[in-house]
Amino acid sequence: GAGVSQTPSNKVTEKGKYVELRCDPISGHTALYWYRQSLGQGPEFLIYFQGTGAADDSGLPNDRFFAVRPEGSVSTLKIQRTERGDSAVYLCASSLNVRNSPLHFGNGTRLTVT
Amino acid sequence: GESVGLHLPTLSVQEGDNSIINCAYSNSASDYFIWYKQESGKGPQFIIDIRSNMDKRQGQRVTVLLNKTVKHLSLQIAATQPGDSAVYFCAENTYSTLTFGKGTMLLVSP
Repeated sequence: GAGVSQTPSNKVTEKGKYVELRCDPISGHTALYWYRQSLGQGPEFLIYFQGTGAADDSGLPNDRFFAVRPEGSVSTLKIQRTERGDSAVYLCASSLNVRNSPLHFGNGTRLTVT
Repeated sequence: GESVGLHLPTLSVQEGDNSIINCAYSNSASDYFIWYKQESGKGPQFIIDIRSNMDKRQGQRVTVLLNKTVKHLSLQIAATQPGDSAVYFCAENTYSTLTFGKGTMLLVSP
């Protein structure tokens, strides 16, 4: 079946601009996660949703970052007033339930802020 | 251009050898562990998982060992193939989120 789909695969934006990154999880997966990965590092947790609600947003670095999942399926990560330090690969993952189920990742969106 | 695996520990093996990748995890409350494989330009791919009530689990060509006393995980890959070349991450589940280690690059020479 289809895996986690992320669009766009690459995004180049200028410092100060607003960007939206989209994630389509595996059908039927109730939990959805956003991670950020810098070069040479492991993925770092940003936020996860159980259904429509953000159950844990403790990894969001500041209030420029926001994510929504209005219908409990597709999610959008929104970054306002982008900074060069936001450049990274943003990974989305989904799982059947929150605990003790493997996360299935998409291929990420590579964000470059110039 | 980019250098995938910059600053990562690297394990170099010959095709057909067995590989062992080690990981120290940080939280004694973690109760679920996963190994992921990540190829350049792709997201992490699930390999095998283990719950904290187990100390060994086997899959196809892979075995994960868990030592809770010293908070250590290892991934053993039998008969390593060139297609196994990638960065490998261990991840621990504490409360509701997965925390990833820094990763190990595996290079397999034909």
